[in-house]
Amino acid sequence: GQQLNQSPQSMFIQEGEDVSMNCTSSSIFNTWLWYKQDPGEGPVLLIALYKAGELTSNGRLTAQFGITRKDSFLNISASIPSDVGIYFCAGLNTGTASKLTFGTGTRLQVTL
Amino acid sequence: DADVTQTPRNRITKTGKRIMLECSQTKGHDRMYWYRQDPGLGLRLIYYSFDVKDINKGEISDGYSVSRQAQAKFSLSLESAIPNQTALYFCATRGTSSGELFFGEGSRLTVL
Repeated sequence: GQQLNQSPQSMFIQEGEDVSMNCTSSSIFNTWLWYKQDPGEGPVLLIALYKAGELTSNGRLTAQFGITRKDSFLNISASIPSDVGIYFCAGLNTGTASKLTFGTGTRLQVTL
Repeated sequence: DADVTQTPRNRITKTGKRIMLECSQTKGHDRMYWYRQDPGLGLRLIYYSFDVKDINKGEISDGYSVSRQAQAKFSLSLESAIPNQTALYFCATRGTSSGELFFGEGSRLTVL
């Protein structure tokens, strides 16, 4: 089945640094979603993007829907320890048979 | 209380045993999903259901079956568990107007 390529696979950064991660697909989507999974929990939605070129922020998080509709980017500014977790992108083509396709995840570790 | 509840949260079993993972939701959503999470592979779709009479295979349905007992309940069964089914399993729900998935807290299954 199709999967999205997400990079990097893992990151070790220092508190206060900015973080960038991206997700690419061989096919287009009309919706991109970014989720975060804390240890021992299920993924929780961070940001949803519905339009090519859209740039959306949620606090220190900013995500962009790529113009080609085949990619998306997530940036985290001034990272803090609670940013630790796994970040997943997901693509969706809405419709009666719609289902999400998830990326492989980016594991973020933040050191003090 | 969680909107999407999975039981059991942890289970250790032996090869060949039958296992059922249960999911219930209070969000009133019609759409329910079962995903499997393995390190480095992200979330892969096992089965999904758009209403009580609708069951669909996902990308990795072999070795699994599901039952949608009611709008709020969706269970996943492993008829004869094998070690490579050791994984973290997530149930999720989605409303019809949004791409957002709401996940349960996960069920960690170990097959010895």
